[in-house]
Amino acid sequence: EAGVTQFPSHSVIEKGQTVTLRCDPISGHDNLYWYRRVMGKEIKFLLHFVKESKQDESGMPNNRFLAERTGGTYSTLKVQPAELEDSGVYFCASKEEDTGELFFGEGSRLTVL
Amino acid sequence: GNSVTQMEGPVTLSEEAFLTINCTYTATGYPSLFWYVQYPGEGLQLLLKATKADDKGSNKGFEATYRKETTSFHLEKGSVQVSDSAVYFCALRGNTGRRALTFGSGTRLQVQP
Repeated sequence: EAGVTQFPSHSVIEKGQTVTLRCDPISGHDNLYWYRRVMGKEIKFLLHFVKESKQDESGMPNNRFLAERTGGTYSTLKVQPAELEDSGVYFCASKEEDTGELFFGEGSRLTVL
Repeated sequence: GNSVTQMEGPVTLSEEAFLTINCTYTATGYPSLFWYVQYPGEGLQLLLKATKADDKGSNKGFEATYRKETTSFHLEKGSVQVSDSAVYFCALRGNTGRRALTFGSGTRLQVQP
């Protein structure tokens, strides 16, 4: 069974440009989370989807970040316009309902120049 | 709010050495505690967990005991291998309020042959 997949693995953009990160959770997982790790610091929660609904978006840093999960399958995280401080690794995770265990993707590294 | 503090790395050890990575937490109520590991080029993986005080989580030779009196969840392994080289993250999930994970900053372990 495929795990959580994220695309792209690495994106390099200039300040002011737009980037869209994609996450495909494990099939059948209703709960999907976005996290990010900036500058080698702690991994911080961004938001949580249950199916297509945003359950908790309290970790989103500002309105330059927009997450969607249309149809309750894959999710996208758009950063527009990107700033230097947005550089980091963005992780996606989906949750197995029976055990509550989170399965993480490899992360998408974003570099803003 | 919830927070996790873990020792800064990198930690460099010789093969078969004893490993301790310290982790302490601040949380209200009775959180669940986790250690995640990220091997090079891979996503975060759950290494072990403990859900109540005095529980010991163990996996792949690693152990951690939930110590409520010292609010700690230190990771230990008696004899590390080169294949244990990775970044280790301590995390907690509160039993009230936000249910997303709160992570520490990660500790890089490098094991030399």
